[in-house]
Amino acid sequence: QQQVKQSPQSLIVQKGGISIINCAYENTAFDYFPWYQQFPGKGPALLIAIRPDVSEKKEGRFTISFNKSAKQFSLHIMDSQPGDSATYFCAASTYGGATNKLIFGTGTLLAVQP
Amino acid sequence: DTEVTQTPKHLVMGMTNKKSLKCEQHMGHRAMYWYKQKAKKPPELMFVYSYEKLSINESVPSRFSPECPNSSLLNLHLHALQPEDSALYLCASSQDFLKGRRILIEQYFGPGTRLTVT
Repeated sequence: QQQVKQSPQSLIVQKGGISIINCAYENTAFDYFPWYQQFPGKGPALLIAIRPDVSEKKEGRFTISFNKSAKQFSLHIMDSQPGDSATYFCAASTYGGATNKLIFGTGTLLAVQP
Repeated sequence: DTEVTQTPKHLVMGMTNKKSLKCEQHMGHRAMYWYKQKAKKPPELMFVYSYEKLSINESVPSRFSPECPNSSLLNLHLHALQPEDSALYLCASSQDFLKGRRILIEQYFGPGTRLTVT
């Protein structure tokens, strides 16, 4: 129940295209869902995060879509660029709960071809 | 500024060595974390400090010993490591972790220390 399932494992997108990464969770107590971007040899960088009181959050070319009833959330990268090539991790946690453990998805390796 | 710094960037150590990893943040964050990340895997939580006190130990072997000297610094002391401990060690911090009512605010990661145990 603590797992976050992420798909696809890898993704190839053409420059200018839309990259979509999906995550699903079981624990209904989760109420904080961040996405991290990680370049090789670097630490994960917080990209965007959402709470379940909204169904969508947009920051620049990055959008999180959230479906509470389906217990799914996804990251959309519009107008994908070669510089977006990285590994993306979704995560989940309980925002005000008794633990501050982030449960990470398994990661998606995105390659944007020029 | 959301910068977490870590030193050293790379570390090679033998199985009988003692070394330390250091992490620093000046964002006023009161929660600090150590994670271990193997290649092509997500970060795995090791320890959490809240207000300079150890809050979570994810059953980490005693050859890893964390220390939080003050609210800005976090150390990880290493002793008698095994080759399978080779990984990227990440430090993170978050804004608040109130006593009695724990709140997770966004976690910010450092660049990591690439550790190789020979």
